[in-house]
Amino acid sequence: GAGVSQTPSNKVTEKGKYVELRCDPISGHTALYWYRQSLGQGPEFLIYFQGTGAADDSGLPNDRFFAVRPEGSVSTLKIQRTERGDSAVYLCASSLNSGASTEAFFGQGTRLTVV
Amino acid sequence: DQQVKQNSPSLSVQEGRISILNCDYTNSMFDYFLWYKKYPAEGPTFLISISSIKDKNEDGRFTVFLNKSAKHLSLHIVPSQPGDSAVYFCAATQNTGNQFYFGTGTSLTVIP
Repeated sequence: GAGVSQTPSNKVTEKGKYVELRCDPISGHTALYWYRQSLGQGPEFLIYFQGTGAADDSGLPNDRFFAVRPEGSVSTLKIQRTERGDSAVYLCASSLNSGASTEAFFGQGTRLTVV
Repeated sequence: DQQVKQNSPSLSVQEGRISILNCDYTNSMFDYFLWYKKYPAEGPTFLISISSIKDKNEDGRFTVFLNKSAKHLSLHIVPSQPGDSAVYFCAATQNTGNQFYFGTGTSLTVIP
């Protein structure tokens, strides 16, 4: 498709389980971002990839969160031992290259609910 | 600590009138600012941006004003249309950085 695609759109999991959230960026976009939006809040930065490497992972809240982008395209956000506080909408965005003035395109998000 | 703040959670405006959405920031290192628009069940979409070297940027019905001394920016929509009803997020970043810092959003309702 033409836009950023995120799957699944909704995920319900039990506390303590492992989840993977997938992001398909726009073809040719080298920069990829993950954000998390909790209820009533704005999106909060998690991690940024330039190509295959995580150029900035300072927003990951703890070591239960990990993200990969092995071939510089699709990215997977992995959350281990999920907690109820992880419930949020996880947004992925991509841009042609890095830099603030390069427009970032967001996917529709994955709504994660931990019960 | 919230570095970008949108103190009005909601705003209602009559169709055809001006909508003014406000945003304040605390980090003086921010030098690039953006507004995103979000419809329910969709991701945010880019609306308009402004660099700190400017104090105004206009794109059709949308104008963003930046007051660096007050660390304040605003988005003006005129004339407002029902299709403008959405949540608007203000975001800021350093031009050399790759993190966007978002406000909590303002839900705009344009009444026909």
